[in-house]
Amino acid sequence: EIVMTQSPATLSVSPGERATLSCRASQSVSSNLAWYQQKPGQAPRLLIYGASIRATGIPARFSGSGSGTEFTLTISSLQSEDFAVYYCQQYNNWYTFGQGTKLEIK
Amino acid sequence: QVQLVESGGGLVQPGGSLRLSCAASGFTFSDYYMSWIRQAPGKGLEWVSYISSTSSSIQYADSVKGRFASSRDNAKNSLYLQMNSLRAEDTAVYYCARDGRYSSSWYSYWGQGALVTVSS
Repeated sequence: EIVMTQSPATLSVSPGERATLSCRASQSVSSNLAWYQQKPGQAPRLLIYGASIRATGIPARFSGSGSGTEFTLTISSLQSEDFAVYYCQQYNNWYTFGQGTKLEIK
Repeated sequence: QVQLVESGGGLVQPGGSLRLSCAASGFTFSDYYMSWIRQAPGKGLEWVSYISSTSSSIQYADSVKGRFASSRDNAKNSLYLQMNSLRAEDTAVYYCARDGRYSSSWYSYWGQGALVTVSS
């Protein structure tokens, strides 16, 4: 099983600042990685797939990068609606999610 | 627009059974793999099962293998999860999600979730 490890567990950032979230795979997943945003009481929402491709309707301030085992989700200028939990997911070999990063207001 | 609506959740005793359904609309259901993902209260996401478009390939997480069974009815645009021998640790919100068109993929669309509580 491929283990996905996200860091940090919690990230405190002020609105308007940049946030950088990390995701590491225990073995290469190529570019078969997605990022999701989840707000309380809601289903996850797809942000990024193919490691760097924004899903339909996702603002340009969200960007993904990386390949192999190291991946990053960057939110360039945080808006109030961006404070949520973010999950990475590999779909190269079955499916595994990271444990999540909670992005909170500083 | 794409819609996925789960139903069938509820309270069940340990050792009991429950069947979840997921009604799909707004896309050609028979073209897509489908998955079940769950989330225990206050915890992260856990993939449970996927089923290919023709049901020829079905896979399960080790945590549910031998107890859960996925199926689909393409004529009814519906996905099912039969859950047997339920345990307290199966308590979670269960989501159905649209998978890839020809293989395992990212989840573009999710249902709103169905809460399953296993407790005596």
